[in-house]
This record gives sequence, structure tokens and C-alpha cells, in this order.
Amino acid sequence: QLQLRESGSGLVKPSQTLSLTCAVSGGSISSGGYSWSWIRQPPGKGLEWIGYISQGGDTYYNPSLKSRVTISLDRSKNQFSLKVNSVTAADTAVYYCARVRYMVFDHWGQGTLVTVSS
Amino acid sequence: DIQMTQSPSTLAASVGDRVTITCRASQSISIWLAWFQQKPGKAPKLLISKASNLEPGVPSRFSGSGSGTEFTLTISSLQPDDFATYYCQKYNNYSWTFGQGTKVEIK
Repeated sequence: QLQLRESGSGLVKPSQTLSLTCAVSGGSISSGGYSWSWIRQPPGKGLEWIGYISQGGDTYYNPSLKSRVTISLDRSKNQFSLKVNSVTAADTAVYYCARVRYMVFDHWGQGTLVTVSS
Repeated sequence: DIQMTQSPSTLAASVGDRVTITCRASQSISIWLAWFQQKPGKAPKLLISKASNLEPGVPSRFSGSGSGTEFTLTISSLQPDDFATYYCQKYNNYSWTFGQGTKVEIK
């Protein structure tokens, strides 16, 4: 059964870089025709798509975040990663990773809270 | 950018009620619309894709309809497990945008 699990730093200082990893088990990130994505949700607010990476490594980002975001694949570890540069308090959120099947987010991780604070 | 607007933002209903949530796109998205259910402290769960395709395992009391710019999610007979927040999401041209959510509360 497919499982996605986010991990990374839960507390990041302003102006620093947020780094998260999504470990995929029960399936390979390099097969099946699936792609992968990151989504976030500030406390008490709605969902915001951050970015997408295809099986072949092509990336697409939310224009509002594009200048600060990088998503990459690590096929050897069967995981993909998110980096957000120059964070502020507005980047405080629960961050989710998800599998993308025919452009639809069909499986999600449980989410991880990242707080930006000094 | 295409904006997605849901209405209402909050809905109070009783068990057994028929519930309808509307989602409007600022321009046509054909049928490229999904619906998610989210419970407190949990990840969103995919209910419907391509506007009306029910995901495996999702109860048949959920249904979706619409195309172009106007879409609806209907719960035919609200059950206790259905009290949650619902989000629509458009997906096309490698761009994904969520509606602001509709919270379904107990009346």
C-alpha cells in the first residue's frame, strides 16, 4: 500500500531555508507514470499548491512562490524534496506531499508543521 | 491566473439533509475539477475527479456535476462522518488552484 511521509525541520528562522523530504513506500517514484507535488496549509486557512515534479524531473511551480522554491527527486532513496528560500512567518504552515495521477492528487502524506520563528 | 470560488463558506445541516456546495471558476476549466474532504488534523482526501468521477471507496451519496465554470458537490443524505471541510480544486495546464473551502457543520 502506498505511503508518503514528510520529514524535515519543524522550526526555521526567518530568512533561512526550509527543507522537507517526502519518503515514498509501497511504490517507486520512477515508475507507474506518476508525478509528485507539494501543498501547504497555514494554520486555520485553506490549501495552497506549491509545486510539481514529473517522473522525468520536469518542474512547475506556483507563480507566487516560484522565485523561492525548488523541488527535486532522489531516485536512489525513493523520495522527493522541497526547499523554500528566504522564509518569513507567512511560510508557517502544514506541508503535505502528494502523488499525482493524471494531474489529480490521489494520495497524500499526513503532513508536517513547519513554523518560521526566531 | 484562474480563481476558484466556493459557496457557501460555512453550511449548517442535519443528518439526513441533502447538501450542495458550489464551486465557480473565473474562466472555463472544462471538466478538470476535483473535490476533497478534509477533517481536522488530517490530510485532504480525494472524493471526485474530472468533475463527476467518484473515487473508489467513496460512498455513492457523494456526487459531482458541472463543466466549464460552474460545478457542484452534492451529498444526498448527510451522515455523521461527513461533517468536514470540502475543497474544490482545478487542475489544468500544470497549474492547480483550490477553492477557499466550505465547512459543513452540525445544525
